[in-house]
Amino acid sequence: GAVVSQHPSRVICKSGTSVKIECRSLDFQATTMFWYRQFPKKSLMLMATSNEGSKATYEQGVEKDKFLINHASLTLSTLTVTSAHPEDSSFYICSARAEGEQFFGPGTRLTVL
Amino acid sequence: GEDVEQSLFLSVREGDSSVINCTYTDSSSTYLYWYKQEPGAGLQLLTYIFSNMDMKQDQRLTVLLNKKDKHLSLRIADTQTGDSAIYFCAEMGTGFQKLVFGTGTRLLVSP
Repeated sequence: GAVVSQHPSRVICKSGTSVKIECRSLDFQATTMFWYRQFPKKSLMLMATSNEGSKATYEQGVEKDKFLINHASLTLSTLTVTSAHPEDSSFYICSARAEGEQFFGPGTRLTVL
Repeated sequence: GEDVEQSLFLSVREGDSSVINCTYTDSSSTYLYWYKQEPGAGLQLLTYIFSNMDMKQDQRLTVLLNKKDKHLSLRIADTQTGDSAIYFCAEMGTGFQKLVFGTGTRLLVSP
């Protein structure tokens, strides 16, 4: 099946700094990518839907100025957590859609100290 | 909005069958999916079923869909220790806009 990668897989940062997470579709082009957040032992919460070349659509309750999403090409979307705080610590998973199916990245564990 | 519920935990012995259940509220669901998540990893698509089907079998996996009751189940035959993971059901509504995930069921398979 299609492969989606995320980088980094783990990141630890200080409170107040910004962190960028990359999501790449390795062997296919994805016009639509999704960003999810998963709390420990919880389900995936959709944060935003990102379409290549246009602004992301954020879910209710997700701060667009806090979680900046850029989908500059058909194979790359980035999520930047700005001015991170400990409550932003979570597992972030991206997903890319191709031919009606969604493929998920391996996730990025963010820890904010 | 859409709501997808699952039981939180299931424990079985190796070799037994496992049945993981899921209920959903969106009557316009077009596709329903089962994903597997191993610790610290992303999601792996196991199987899916179109809403006009009531059963799908794929090797050790059997999916049953009761559209009237909005109930979906995943049966894993001859469960192995490597099947221990969290299993999420998810539904896609009309318009294929986004997946809505269930709460996840943690399956523990003991030797």
